[in-house]
Amino acid sequence: GENVEQHPSTLSVQEGDSAVIKCTYSDSASNYFPWYKQELGKRPQLIIDIRSNVGEKKDQRIAVTLNKTAKHFSLHITETQPEDSAVYFCAASSLRTGGFKTIFGAGTRLFVKA
Amino acid sequence: NAGVTQTPKFQVLKTGQSMTLQCAQDMNHEYMSWYRQDPGMGLRLIHYSVGAGITDQGEVPNGYNVSRSTTEDFPLRLLSAAPSQTSVYFCASTLAGAGGTQYFGPGTRLLVL
Repeated sequence: GENVEQHPSTLSVQEGDSAVIKCTYSDSASNYFPWYKQELGKRPQLIIDIRSNVGEKKDQRIAVTLNKTAKHFSLHITETQPEDSAVYFCAASSLRTGGFKTIFGAGTRLFVKA
Repeated sequence: NAGVTQTPKFQVLKTGQSMTLQCAQDMNHEYMSWYRQDPGMGLRLIHYSVGAGITDQGEVPNGYNVSRSTTEDFPLRLLSAAPSQTSVYFCASTLAGAGGTQYFGPGTRLLVL
């Protein structure tokens, strides 16, 4: 079946450094790739997304890249801040008869040390 | 708009009991989904729906039933609760044509003893 692999599972960086999280997906029909941030005890919140016809997208300190041929996509956070500490999830989504089917990665716990 | 709402926030069940987790959205979103999140793991898709009367299975559908009689509501039923179903359950909705951006409810924490 479809799956999304996410690496690393834990990432620790110094404040001001960059953080990179990588994902691979298996379903060729996937055409939408969102990234979510989840703080402890809270619901996932969308932070950035990218569609299959775009190779890169940037929003302030956050950027996402997509390589459809290799089925890879990555999240880049620059100038990290302590408030960036959270769990980050990548996901791959495709439209099916029953609706949007979205498969999530297992998550990356990011620690930003002040 | 209240967005996506879920009830109850927390529930304790005994093995074998049944219950329904409620999910409602007031954004007129066509697509709705149910996920479970276990400690240290990502969200796993249970069931999803494109609109009233149409549902489909996700990654982990066994032990759960859904129905979609209205656009607003998408309840998740546990037929006979098992300890393996202890988890946090999230409901999400998506506007058709918005490319899959999901809005999540606050979650229901379920403990099965």
